Amino acid sequence: ETGVTQTPRHLVMGMTNKKSLKCEQHLGHNAMYWYKQSAKKPLELMFVYSLEERVENNSVPSRFSPECPNSSHLFLHLHTLQPEDSALYLCASSQDLRGGNQPQHFGDGTRLSIL
Amino acid sequence: KQEVTQIPAALSVPEGENLVLNCSFTDSAIYNLQWFRQDPGKGLTSLLLIQSSQREQTSGRLNASLDKSSGRSTLYIAASQPGDSATYLCAVRQGAQKLVFGQGTRLTINP
Repeated sequence: ETGVTQTPRHLVMGMTNKKSLKCEQHLGHNAMYWYKQSAKKPLELMFVYSLEERVENNSVPSRFSPECPNSSHLFLHLHTLQPEDSALYLCASSQDLRGGNQPQHFGDGTRLSIL
Repeated sequence: KQEVTQIPAALSVPEGENLVLNCSFTDSAIYNLQWFRQDPGKGLTSLLLIQSSQREQTSGRLNASLDKSSGRSTLYIAASQPGDSATYLCAVRQGAQKLVFGQGTRLTINP
């Protein structure tokens, strides 16, 4: 039990589909993150939320739309994706954004494949 | 722009050997450095976190060092076991929320 749960674990979709990734954390944390892990590239930070407010958008295309309805849940809405968006999408949480020494806890990710 | 490099990209050693994984970063203005482990198809598990004011951290058979001035960190694994096989990621923290990752070292321990 990692404390951070992501669903679905695997998702295959066409370029014209609309789908959503879900992340739920059971750790009482106030900050949540979306990362993208592509083959042969380092993990890339996409979005950061603190107390349900987006505090960072790391130049992510608008076909990715995050939503944080409360501090325990984070969604990533997907529409009109491209083949290069195929990757492992990881969610993480941390206690909050203050200070620099709080570890981030990661979920197991959603493996996304775009046809 | 911060860049994190991990060498080697892949490493295969016999069981029982001690080994060292390397991580280097270009900007020494960091809050901390973390080592993670990632098993196939899984997320990241935090192994060790070294604050910028610290030189090393230890947990069981793992020891991580940090030389901030030279932009280097090492992860030392003693008496390696097949269960240690995984990808090891190094990440530096800049700002309150930004982790910058290396590409990882894929480690295989042969029984």
